[in-house]
Amino acid sequence: DAGVTQSPTHLIKTRGQQVTLRCSPKSGHDTVSWYQQALGQGPQFIFQYYEEEERQRGNFPDRFSGHQFPNYSSELNVNALLLGDSALYLCASSLGLAGGVTQYFGPGTRLLVL
Amino acid sequence: QKEVEQNSGPLSVPEGAIASLNCTYSDRGSQSFFWYRQYSGKSPELIMSIYSNGDKEDGRFTAQLNKASQYVSLLIRDSQPSDSATYLCAGGRAAGNKLTFGGGTRVLVKP
Repeated sequence: DAGVTQSPTHLIKTRGQQVTLRCSPKSGHDTVSWYQQALGQGPQFIFQYYEEEERQRGNFPDRFSGHQFPNYSSELNVNALLLGDSALYLCASSLGLAGGVTQYFGPGTRLLVL
Repeated sequence: QKEVEQNSGPLSVPEGAIASLNCTYSDRGSQSFFWYRQYSGKSPELIMSIYSNGDKEDGRFTAQLNKASQYVSLLIRDSQPSDSATYLCAGGRAAGNKLTFGGGTRVLVKP
């Protein structure tokens, strides 16, 4: 049973560039949430996708956008990268939108913006 | 005030002892709570979930929830060096499964 997968594992970009991160949810899951984890901090919720629509969004600017595909996989796009966007980006998958549903995290993508 | 607060630690515990981790939350709409373990450079791994007031035990781990006091705790019994990690407390509301995380508590178990 495949768990949550993310690609790439590491990425180095320069300020102003754009980046796309990818996530495939755990088998049987249909909901994908994205989190940003800065060094030494807890993960911060970016947004969540279900049925190919953004369902909830955290306090992140419009430079952060996403997409969910019919096979439930998802992409996170960040435009006009800033140094402060350097972080571990985590994808979490779950089944449905009900509160209390367990989320399982992928290995993350570590983004460094120079 | 952060929505979910944890002592950053490090919490230093001798091998075989009990590690006690605490978490407080401010959102009274939070209904479900999760403890994740995160090793350095890795992603969070679920340890426990708890939804009702009281204790929930799973192996060496016991989670405690007190909604009146807005307090969640995690006890790790017979601590092992492999338990050395950062422990993240997270809360979720009744609708939608967005998680709000605390900053994590770093635990160091010394042989």
